[in-house]
Amino acid sequence: LAKTTQPISMDSYEGQEVNITCSHNNIATNDYITWYQQFPSQGPRFIIQGYKTKVTNEVASLFIPADRKSSTLSLPRVSLSDTAVYYCLVGDEGGKLIFGQGTELSVKP
Amino acid sequence: EPEVTQTPSHQVTQMGQEVILRCVPISNHLYFYWYRQILGQKVEFLVSFYNNEISEKSEIFDDQFSVERPDGSNFTLKIRSTKLEDSAMYFCASSEDRFSGNTIYFGEGSWLTVV
Repeated sequence: LAKTTQPISMDSYEGQEVNITCSHNNIATNDYITWYQQFPSQGPRFIIQGYKTKVTNEVASLFIPADRKSSTLSLPRVSLSDTAVYYCLVGDEGGKLIFGQGTELSVKP
Repeated sequence: EPEVTQTPSHQVTQMGQEVILRCVPISNHLYFYWYRQILGQKVEFLVSFYNNEISEKSEIFDDQFSVERPDGSNFTLKIRSTKLEDSAMYFCASSEDRFSGNTIYFGEGSWLTVV
């Protein structure tokens, strides 16, 4: 059973807000939710992490409802350079991150 | 911002040769990892390392692979006798602690091509 489920791909246009939702129905009580961004031929880059409610940093916001069974990564006013694969990860599997296929975001001009 | 650095960025090697990929984790981090990503596929966990020993390893990390922290700063991945299917991007990563809520930071990767 997959630990997280997220859309395989999304399209957007420059200047729009993009919301990528991830479902994690089996999240454990002490699991955190972490999002990474990956450009082709580069290492995954940490974007944001949260446990509950809302977290905001300089690049994104993370919304987590009370039941924590899903989370939404919000990217305000995307640009072409935000075209990348975005991964939602839950917990750390006892010290290791398990990556899914991620969401391939394509930002068009 | 502190970062994980990896060398070489790209290496081409002949099948059967030994390869060593090097990494300098973030200085105050205690947990170190290797991941790999075959072209077009997802990022896969290989091994985690703490206190000079392997904490966990995946089924990919067989006897051909080994890791070492030869000094206070470097963390290496050795592939003893490379195979064509070892061609991939190898990412080193590190974290302060292993518990959930602790961020794992990745390097930019070493692209290994086995011919």
